[in-house]
Amino acid sequence: QLQLQESGPGLVKPSETLSLTCTVSGGSISYGSFYWTWIRQPAGKGLEWIGHIYTGGTTNYNPNLMSRVTISLDTSENRFSLNLTSLTATDTAVYYCARGTGDLDSWGQGTLVTVSS
Amino acid sequence: DIQMTQSPSSLSASIGDRVTITCRASQGIGNYLAWYQQKPGKVPELLIYAAFTLQSGVPSRFSGSGSGTDFVLTISSLQPEDVATYYCQKYDSPPWTFGQGTKVDIK
Repeated sequence: QLQLQESGPGLVKPSETLSLTCTVSGGSISYGSFYWTWIRQPAGKGLEWIGHIYTGGTTNYNPNLMSRVTISLDTSENRFSLNLTSLTATDTAVYYCARGTGDLDSWGQGTLVTVSS
Repeated sequence: DIQMTQSPSSLSASIGDRVTITCRASQGIGNYLAWYQQKPGKVPELLIYAAFTLQSGVPSRFSGSGSGTDFVLTISSLQPEDVATYYCQKYDSPPWTFGQGTKVDIK
């Protein structure tokens, strides 16, 4: 069974860069036709799609975050990553990684990231 | 970009009631629409994809309908374990967008 696990710092300072990793087990990120996706959710609020990277390497990003976001694949480690630059308090949220073909059928447990000095 | 609007934003219903949640796209998206359930403090889970296809393991009291711009999630007989926030998501083309959510609780 596919499992995804987010990892990264729980606390980041304003203006710094957030780097999160999603490690995939139970399946290879190199095979199939899947979108490896990042979503976030501020406390008490709804889900926001950040972006995804397709198995072949094509990326798409939320237009509201596009200037600050990079998503990449590391096939040697079977994981994918999120980089988000120029952080502010509004980036504080639970960050989820997920996999799907459009719909998202497998999710990680989420990791809370707080942006604060 | 296409916007996804859910209604209502919240509802209270009795056990056994039929519950309907609507999701409207600002432009047509075919049937590229998914529904998720997020129980309090939990990870979202896929309920329905392609507008009406039930994900494996999801109880049959859940159903989806619609295409184009208007979609509906129906719970035929509300159960206590259905207390959750429900989200629609479009995936016809990027950017993928979620609705703002509908919180369902028991009256």
